[in-house]
Amino acid sequence: AQSVTQPDIHITVSEGASLELRCNYSYGATPYLFWYVQSPGQGLQLLLKYFSGDTLVQGIKGFEAEFKRSQSSFNLRKPSVHWSDAAEYFCAVGAGTGTASKLTFGTGTRLQVTL
Amino acid sequence: SQTIHQWPATLVQPVGSPLSLECTVEGTSNPNLYWYRQAAGRGLQLLFYSVGIGQISSEVPQNLSASRPQDRQFILSSKKLLLSDSGFYLCAWSAPPFGQEQYFGPGTRLTVT
Repeated sequence: AQSVTQPDIHITVSEGASLELRCNYSYGATPYLFWYVQSPGQGLQLLLKYFSGDTLVQGIKGFEAEFKRSQSSFNLRKPSVHWSDAAEYFCAVGAGTGTASKLTFGTGTRLQVTL
Repeated sequence: SQTIHQWPATLVQPVGSPLSLECTVEGTSNPNLYWYRQAAGRGLQLLFYSVGIGQISSEVPQNLSASRPQDRQFILSSKKLLLSDSGFYLCAWSAPPFGQEQYFGPGTRLTVT
């Protein structure tokens, strides 16, 4: 069974600083990987996804993530954080391939941005 | 474009009362549909998913049930709520048959008192 670990429960960064949120996954084959963002009291919004190909993927809102198979990681990055990026971020892995989507989510990382 | 709606947005119900949460999707046909529950610090737990009308798969044993009476309608129900049913309930859809990314609705905050 697949699993996702987000080791950082809470991260605080200053506006304008760079950001990296960690995600490690466990899955036997090539995974489908996702990052979602959730503002308080809201649903989840898809930031980016990795299925195959280029291991550096670009998403919305200036985010990117890099798939590293050797480290079983899919870390989310942003070069300069804006105050509006404060939210909770979820990494997810999907089994995919010939089946309906079934995602396993990490427990999330709450990002606080200081001005 | 596709949109997903959930209602109500918030709900306060006493223990032992029934529950019905509704989710509808517009702009797509025969979507795969999902119900999740989100508890603080525990991420998202998949409760049910459906690949078609009347087809429901349950992921965890619980006090809840799901139904899909129409192609783009997904309902989460309970006959008697427990305190432990409190949480934030999210509905999501993915493109049939094997679309992997899921798109989420705005959620329903349920408080059982």
